Amino acid sequence: AQSVTQLGSHVSVSEGALVLLRCNYSSSVPPYLFWYVQYPNQGLQLLLKYTSAATLVKGINGFEAEFKKSETSFHLTKPSAHMSDAAEYFCAVSPGGTSYGKLTFGQGTILTVHP
Amino acid sequence: EAGVAQSPRYKIIEKRQSVAFWCNPISGHATLYWYQQILGQGPKLLIQFQNNGVVDDSQLPKDRFSAERLKGVDSTLKIQPAKLEDSAVYLCASSPGQFSYEQYFGPGTRLTVT
Repeated sequence: AQSVTQLGSHVSVSEGALVLLRCNYSSSVPPYLFWYVQYPNQGLQLLLKYTSAATLVKGINGFEAEFKKSETSFHLTKPSAHMSDAAEYFCAVSPGGTSYGKLTFGQGTILTVHP
Repeated sequence: EAGVAQSPRYKIIEKRQSVAFWCNPISGHATLYWYQQILGQGPKLLIQFQNNGVVDDSQLPKDRFSAERLKGVDSTLKIQPAKLEDSAVYLCASSPGQFSYEQYFGPGTRLTVT
């Protein structure tokens, strides 16, 4: 069984500050991990994915995430926040194999960026 | 390339009524998903189709929810009869194949049951 916990339902940062969104997972098999972003009234968009290759994954819009097996974590970071980063972010896990598509999502973290 | 299309975008119904949502995936995408996203929660997978066959419907409340994907292209999700707790955004997503990592999401249909 898979599960995802996102620590903090709301995160607020100033423009130019570091963004850190936390995600911890539970998986009975080696996981595939994803971060999605959702802007108001839009569907989810894939930011980045970990699929058992490099543990540091770079995504779109300057975001990156590091897979840490010992900590069962996959935190999302961006060195310098931009106003356009304000959105809701979801971490998700997949068991892979024949079930790549069976995503289990966390509850989401709303990111607010202040001028 | 056109994205995933969904209609309607918004729907308000009374409890015990029926409702249907429509999804047209990206052209050529063999796999189609329906998710339910309740306010304040992440999306929950309801059903996954591969072409016109069901791959996984383990989380679909089959006593009131049904879905079909005739001809392996567009899909319809139906709720009959609706309950208050069905109020949510219903998201459709598609991917090129069952083993594709990336899912492309539509804008969703926001359902309010009163």
